[in-house]
Amino acid sequence: EAQVTQNPRYLITVTGKKLTVTCSQNMNHEYMSWYRQDPGLGLRQIYYSMNVEVTDKGDVPEGYKVSRKEKRNFPLILESPSPNQTSLYFCASSLSGTWRSTDTQYFGPGTRLTVL
Amino acid sequence: ELKVEQNPLFLSMQEGKNYTIYCNYSTTSDRLYWYRQDPGKSLESLFVLLSNGAVKQEGRLMASLDTKARLSTLHITAAVHDLSATYFCAVADRGSTLGRLYFGRGTQLTVWP
Repeated sequence: EAQVTQNPRYLITVTGKKLTVTCSQNMNHEYMSWYRQDPGLGLRQIYYSMNVEVTDKGDVPEGYKVSRKEKRNFPLILESPSPNQTSLYFCASSLSGTWRSTDTQYFGPGTRLTVL
Repeated sequence: ELKVEQNPLFLSMQEGKNYTIYCNYSTTSDRLYWYRQDPGKSLESLFVLLSNGAVKQEGRLMASLDTKARLSTLHITAAVHDLSATYFCAVADRGSTLGRLYFGRGTQLTVWP
């Protein structure tokens, strides 16, 4: 089954404790992206990756890191989480990010993160 | 930076009625997406609109794109309860920041009997 998986789905942590949220897709997609969703603000893009070893900042990259060492994985790293990073996080992938086709994004199930 | 504005943010409508959700964006783009999100769930793709004048329809939902007006609409025909969800439009930046996608704040639709 074609899917985007995220782990963990729920996480409660404390300020400053490094954490990683994993994202994996099994569709051989080139493009992957991380978003955060906050009430009333819609989705905001954190980082995206056009292909292996190619990443770029989105709207709200501060406090986050990413890496794309393999095509299928795109982990999101919070080196020193703070309470303002409490949010619902979505990973997504699509065949390409050049928007020249009818590619659509497939979203993961979401990770609800609480930073105390 | 590309700005995306959705209106209305909240919509409560009776079953059987018609209504339209609007999505305005601030700079040139010809790639617009509509998504649906059910409460507590992830996002599901509804429509991909790729050119001026593009129109897509699926069931009671019809989406259109006017790139000259920088406007997309999502029209709901004869609403039913199952359409209750939050709807997002998203616009792709095809300029120097290719790969960026900008979302509206979402329209929370409630359909009541």
